[in-house]
Amino acid sequence: AQKVTQAQTEISVVEKEDVTLDCVYETRDTTYYLFWYKQPPSGELVFLIRRNSFDEQNEISGRYSWNFQKSTSSFNFTITASQVVDSAVYFCALSEVSRGAQKLVFGQGTRLTINP
Amino acid sequence: DVKVTQSSRYLVKRTGEKVFLECVQDMDHENMFWYRQDPGLGLRLIYFSYDVKMKEKGDIPEGYSVSREKKERFSLILESASTNQTSMYLCASSFDRGFNQPQHFGDGTRLSIL
Repeated sequence: AQKVTQAQTEISVVEKEDVTLDCVYETRDTTYYLFWYKQPPSGELVFLIRRNSFDEQNEISGRYSWNFQKSTSSFNFTITASQVVDSAVYFCALSEVSRGAQKLVFGQGTRLTINP
Repeated sequence: DVKVTQSSRYLVKRTGEKVFLECVQDMDHENMFWYRQDPGLGLRLIYFSYDVKMKEKGDIPEGYSVSREKKERFSLILESASTNQTSMYLCASSFDRGFNQPQHFGDGTRLSIL
């Protein structure tokens, strides 16, 4: 069965520090997609990035970067020069197709607190 | 931008009541989903629907049912609410059945069963 593990339950850092959120996944599929979502205190999950299993290039978007390593089944997320507004719960998710529809399998989430 | 709207942000109900949570999306998405979120457990899928009047059980369907009479609306029903259904409920939608599609989420409904 598909599984996503985010071993870090909570992380707390001081503003401007770099921080990496870990995500490890299990799947038997050869083609799959991985996602990261951000959940700020307001509650809505915000889609951040999607990565397919054939594309192992790292991605950078401003202060955010993602490192996908198929060999270790990991899809880690790094925030550079963190800011207070980055405080949120972050979820990693893996897609699967079940009974004709796409499903997402989520990790447990990592609560990130950025202190001023 | 996709907009997924959940009818209530906070809801308090009593044990045994029948509870309806409503969700509407405005982007003509085929798929809709209901999750519950509990601390330490992440998001768990309750039910999903990939077409009008179609529904599929997710990972934790017990105690819940759903209704999708119109494409834009997906309702979650707690037939007889119990205290262990106190949770945050999140609705989501996605464009089609392709498994590269991101899901778009509503703000969530924090439900308390007393």
